Amino acid sequence: DQQVKQNSPSLSVQEGRISILNCDYTNSMFDYFLWYKKYPAEGPTFLISISSIKDKNEDGRFTVFLNKSAKHLSLHIVPSQPGDSAVYFCAASARGGYQKVTFGTGTKLQVIP
Amino acid sequence: GAVVSQHPSRVICKSGTSVKIECRSLDFQATTMFWYRQFPKQSLMLMATSNEGSKATYEQGVEKDKFLINHASLTLSTLTVTSAHPEDSSFYICSAAGPDPQETQYFGPGTRLLVL
Repeated sequence: DQQVKQNSPSLSVQEGRISILNCDYTNSMFDYFLWYKKYPAEGPTFLISISSIKDKNEDGRFTVFLNKSAKHLSLHIVPSQPGDSAVYFCAASARGGYQKVTFGTGTKLQVIP
Repeated sequence: GAVVSQHPSRVICKSGTSVKIECRSLDFQATTMFWYRQFPKQSLMLMATSNEGSKATYEQGVEKDKFLINHASLTLSTLTVTSAHPEDSSFYICSAAGPDPQETQYFGPGTRLLVL
């Protein structure tokens, strides 16, 4: 039972344009959401998070939006850069923190120069 | 961010043998370490959570006698895959976290296991 879903396995975006990565979840107990970035042969690195009490969190070029009623969140990267090319994992936690998270299947982003 | 290492980075073994994977937090004390498994094109699946000095807590469906976890110190946790079989072939990733649940967990680079 995949509680966190990323329905797009891959995404290609032109450099300078916006990248939008989507994530849906089914467990209404999730109250903390995170995005991780992963390069090949490396472990995931934390990118940005959002608590369920918010609907938007911004950090530089990265913004995460949360729609609790739709159980949907998205990560916006603007402007996209070639160095952003990686696999992005959405993750969710039911304990209001970063630990014991459930991961999505990942979306491979390719930013074309 | 903090650095977490894993050793070996990849291992090939024969069916029936046991394989040990080490996870080390290099510059902080990890009170909690997590072990994940990732199949190709699938998400990271949490296998178990270990706290230093106590027994690991395994997720449902994970055989504790098959995947032995030891968290003997605040900087080292080991995962031993006992009597490995080809279906155990996978990418194993550990992560380490400090005592604050609001603190992010830091991931190791992963270990690719291939059982022949």
